[in-house]
Amino acid sequence: DAGVIQSPRHEVTEMGQEVTLRCKPISGHNSLFWYRQTMMRGLELLIYFNNNVPIDDSGMPEDRFSAKMPNASFSTLKIQPSEPRDSAVYFCASSPSGGETQYFGPGTRLLVL
Amino acid sequence: TQLLEQSPQFLSIQEGENLTVYCNSSSVFSSLQWYRQEPGEGPVLLVTVVTGGEVKKLKRLTFQFGDARKDSSLHITAAQPGDTGLYLCAGPKTSYDKVIFGPGTSLSVIP
Repeated sequence: DAGVIQSPRHEVTEMGQEVTLRCKPISGHNSLFWYRQTMMRGLELLIYFNNNVPIDDSGMPEDRFSAKMPNASFSTLKIQPSEPRDSAVYFCASSPSGGETQYFGPGTRLLVL
Repeated sequence: TQLLEQSPQFLSIQEGENLTVYCNSSSVFSSLQWYRQEPGEGPVLLVTVVTGGEVKKLKRLTFQFGDARKDSSLHITAAQPGDTGLYLCAGPKTSYDKVIFGPGTSLSVIP
């Protein structure tokens, strides 16, 4: 069975550029989560969706970040414009039931120069 | 202030040794989960504990949920290099809350 799929796996970009991260959750899962992981702050929840609807976006750092889930099999996290402090590993996770068991993707390693 | 604290932050041991890592909070959690994250990968769920005082075993790993549901421990017997990784505890305060993660314990098992 395919797990959570994220693309790209690595992204290097320059400050000011737009970055789009993509996620395909496990088929049949109702909830999708975007996390950011850094050495300083650990794993932080940015936003989560339930049945394609954003439920809690209180972790989104600022207006430069936006996330969409147009259908049950696809979500994007966009950063525009990107800044060096956005450099981190971004994980997408999905859950069949609403959060207690989450299945993580391999992550996207973002470096903003 | 972290809602979930983990200790130690880093641990380096020799193969064959035993170890215990801890997850603590001042708040009660409806359940706690333990994840292991290997370098370059996403976290993978190891176990969920739900009942105060509950003990679960997964091969050489023993997980315990505190009686008051505010803390948990993970004990590894005869550690192996394959146990190397970041161990994260996580949980929702109630079944309706989002899951929050602790900062993790980074374990290195040296052959």
